[in-house]
Amino acid sequence: DVKVTQSSRYLVKRTGEKVFLECVQDMDHENMFWYRQDPGLGLRLIYFSYDVKMKEKGDIPEGYSVSREKKERFSLILESASTNQTSMYLCASSPTGFEVHEQYFGPGTRLTVT
Amino acid sequence: GQNIDQPTEMTATEGAIVQINCTYQTSGFNGLFWYQQHAGEAPTFLSYNVLDGLEEKGRFSSFLSRSKGYSYLLLKELQMKDSASYLCAVRDHQAGTALIFGKGTTLSVSS
Repeated sequence: DVKVTQSSRYLVKRTGEKVFLECVQDMDHENMFWYRQDPGLGLRLIYFSYDVKMKEKGDIPEGYSVSREKKERFSLILESASTNQTSMYLCASSPTGFEVHEQYFGPGTRLTVT
Repeated sequence: GQNIDQPTEMTATEGAIVQINCTYQTSGFNGLFWYQQHAGEAPTFLSYNVLDGLEEKGRFSSFLSRSKGYSYLLLKELQMKDSASYLCAVRDHQAGTALIFGKGTTLSVSS
C-alpha cells in the first residue's frame, strides 16, 4: 500500500513564525503536491513538484514556499505565518506515466495560527 | 481558466440511489477523478474517466460526457457509511499531473 505521512496532525503557531510542514511518501513517486482545504472553498493547490529540486506554483502560492531535496520528501514552508493561513494542509503523491495515476493523500495537518 | 461545479449538499436514505453531478470547464481536459472524503480524513480515490461513458465499480459508477463537460457519480444501495464529501477533480494537460478540485458535495445518508 502507498503510504503518505505528514509530520504533524495538529499544529499551533504564532503569527510571524516560520512553519515547516513535512511530507514523506514511500512509493518512489515522482510527483508530490501540497493543498490546503477550507470550508466552502474545497481543495486548492499551493505547489507541486514533478522531480527532485523541481517545483511549480499552483493556484495559491502566495505566502508559501516548498523544498524537494529528496524524492520521497516534500516540504511546505510558511515564511511568516499569518492568521489567514489557518487551514487543513494535505500532501499527496502520484507516479508519472500514461495510466490512471490517482493521487494518494496523507492524513493532513490542521494548522492554527494565532 | 478552469471551473468545476458540483452541488454543495445532498441527502438520501439508506438503500436508495443518489447521483452527484459535476460540470467542468477546462481547455486541455485529460481526465476526471472522483474522491471520497470522510470528515477529518484524507480523500481516497473512487474512480477515473477519460473517455465518454460509464465506468462501474461495485456500488459506485461514474459517467463522463466530454462534449458536455459533464460527469456524475452514481451511488447505489446507499449505506450509512457513504455519508461523506465527494470531490470531483479534473486533470488538464497544461497542469501536468496536478488536479483541480471542485468544492465537494457533502452527502448525508439517513436511516
